[in-house]
Amino acid sequence: GAVVSQHPSWVICKSGTSVKIECRSLDFQATTMFWYRQFPKQSLMLMATSNEGSKATYEQGVEKDKFLINHASLTLSTLTVTSAHPEDSSFYICSARVPAYNEQFFGPGTRLTVL
Amino acid sequence: GESVGLHLPTLSVQEGDNSIINCAYSNSASDYFIWYKQESGKGPQFIIDIRSNMDKRQGQRVTVLLNKTVKHLSLQIAATQPGDSAVYFCADSTYGAGSYQLTFGKGTKLSVIP
Repeated sequence: GAVVSQHPSWVICKSGTSVKIECRSLDFQATTMFWYRQFPKQSLMLMATSNEGSKATYEQGVEKDKFLINHASLTLSTLTVTSAHPEDSSFYICSARVPAYNEQFFGPGTRLTVL
Repeated sequence: GESVGLHLPTLSVQEGDNSIINCAYSNSASDYFIWYKQESGKGPQFIIDIRSNMDKRQGQRVTVLLNKTVKHLSLQIAATQPGDSAVYFCADSTYGAGSYQLTFGKGTKLSVIP
């Protein structure tokens, strides 16, 4: 149980285009989902916390107009990287929290490469 | 966890030996800690957790030790196997933005020598 999926697993796009990444909790309802970014050989950095039905809370230094997060249902959150640039190339990972527990379950990640 | 660095500490161990991976955290208010294993190109995988009212917890081949006095966490892997090769992260949990959030440590790359 507690499986989280992400789609796509990898994406290559041209600079200036927008990319949408989906995060789904497959066998549970997640009231809270999280988005992380991970650069090569570095740790995971929390970008934003998303509670279903409300606006996401972004961490300091993360541009909310560039990284649009939508959490419209209890099983789906999306991250849209708008006007992507090469410096946005990274590994984006989502997680979902099982209600009433601290534990987060992580998706397999999405590798974004912006040319 | 500590702030992110630009390089990953590495630990090389012989297959069958025990591995000890260390982590320091900075937030004294953290009350829940987790160790994750991350294989190349994949998301983090839960290994073991511990609450702040404990100082030791054992799982299958893994043990986590918590020293709140010095804000230190360690992961011990017994009889390390090639499949244990991965990057290991500790994370501490604090409440923020309406939910419990995780702060990850810098990670340690474990390489198992067959």
